[in-house]
Order: sequence, then structure tokens, then C-alpha cells
Amino acid sequence: DGGITQSPKYLFRKEGQNVTLSCEQNLNHDAMYWYRQDPGQGLRLIYYSQIVNDFQKGDIAEGYSVSREKKESFPLTVTSAQKNPTAFYLCASSPWTVGAGELFFGEGSRLTVL
Amino acid sequence: QQPVQSPQAVILREGEDAVINCSSSKALYSVHWYRQKHGEAPVFLMILLKGGEQKGHEKISASFNEKKQQSSLYLTASQLSYSGTYFCGTEGDQGAQKLVFGQGTRLTINP
Repeated sequence: DGGITQSPKYLFRKEGQNVTLSCEQNLNHDAMYWYRQDPGQGLRLIYYSQIVNDFQKGDIAEGYSVSREKKESFPLTVTSAQKNPTAFYLCASSPWTVGAGELFFGEGSRLTVL
Repeated sequence: QQPVQSPQAVILREGEDAVINCSSSKALYSVHWYRQKHGEAPVFLMILLKGGEQKGHEKISASFNEKKQQSSLYLTASQLSYSGTYFCGTEGDQGAQKLVFGQGTRLTINP
């Protein structure tokens, strides 16, 4: 079945460690996104990519990095520079349209820093 | 800039109606609506493009007033399955493919 797969679902990290969250889609979508969700704050955009080998910063990109080497994959690295990384991370993709298309979300990855 | 949703929370009895509002301080090209149930991923409901468009999805419909930079989501004769948190996502520049979400409105439907 087509969809978006995020892994791991739960992740624990010690302070000072980098961690990479995986996001893979087999929907043949051009655009991919990473959002962070904190209680009461909705979804905040970290990075997004419209085509392979290109990506743009969202509203809260500091302390995060991404790559888009393949159309299907858009991994997110949470670096030690991110001061408050404990959150729920959602990856999404959408087909190319004029303007933002419908977002298809993965099940999310919950990161906890110990 | 993040759009502002109101109210922050609503509690209804099954069968009652609800309206959720989404307001932006900048010109909008499109507005999206999503629903998220606890512990799950958000699910797409509808997209509205500028032009005063109104759309419907089952008993859920929405309007978009581009002049006022506002959108409203209407839930008619609410069902228990409508419970969840509703988010509006706004796109300011055509073709930017960048959605900025509001803080969400928590809707609780009681029997």
C-alpha cells in the first residue's frame, strides 16, 4: 500500500547526541515536509523540500538538518544544537500542484531527551 | 505568521453544530483544514482556494473569505467520530507550497 513511513516511532536520546529520524514515501510525491508538534502549539514547520537535492528552511529550522538525495526519502537530523528537542515529529508529503497540495502525514516519531 | 484559530476548545453534545474560525494577518492563497485524533497523524479534510470558495465534505463544510483573510469550518449535526483537534493551514504565496498551521481547536463530542 502507498503511504509514508516514519521510523523509529519512539526514540530516547541523551543530551548532546545527534539523532536522525527517517521518513520514506512511496506515493511518488514531489514535496516533503517536517513538522514539529508540541502540546497546545499546533504544527510548526521545520524544513520542506519541493524537489530532489533542494530544500528550504521553515519557521523553526535552527538545530535541525535535512537532506533530499532521493525523491522517496527526507531524513531529519536533530542535532545537539537544538535546545529543546523533546517533541512529536511529523513527516508529510504532497503531490506537486500550483500551491500546496493535500498533505499526507506519517504516523510520527516521538523523541524524548533524557 | 501563524494563523489564529478560535475557539481553542469546544464541547458539544452529539447532533449539535459547531463553527471553527481561522484568521490570518496576511493575504492568503489557500486554506487547508485537517483533523487529528489523539495519538494519530492529522488527516486532510479540504482545501479552499481564494475566490470565496465553499466546499463540503460529508456534513463538514468550509468557507474562505480572502478579503478578510479568514476561513471557517462548519460541522453540522456533529457525530462522535468528529471529536479531535482541528487545524487550519494557510498558504500565503501562490506556489510556495508552504503551509503554516494554527494552534488547533480541540473538539469534544459527548453522547
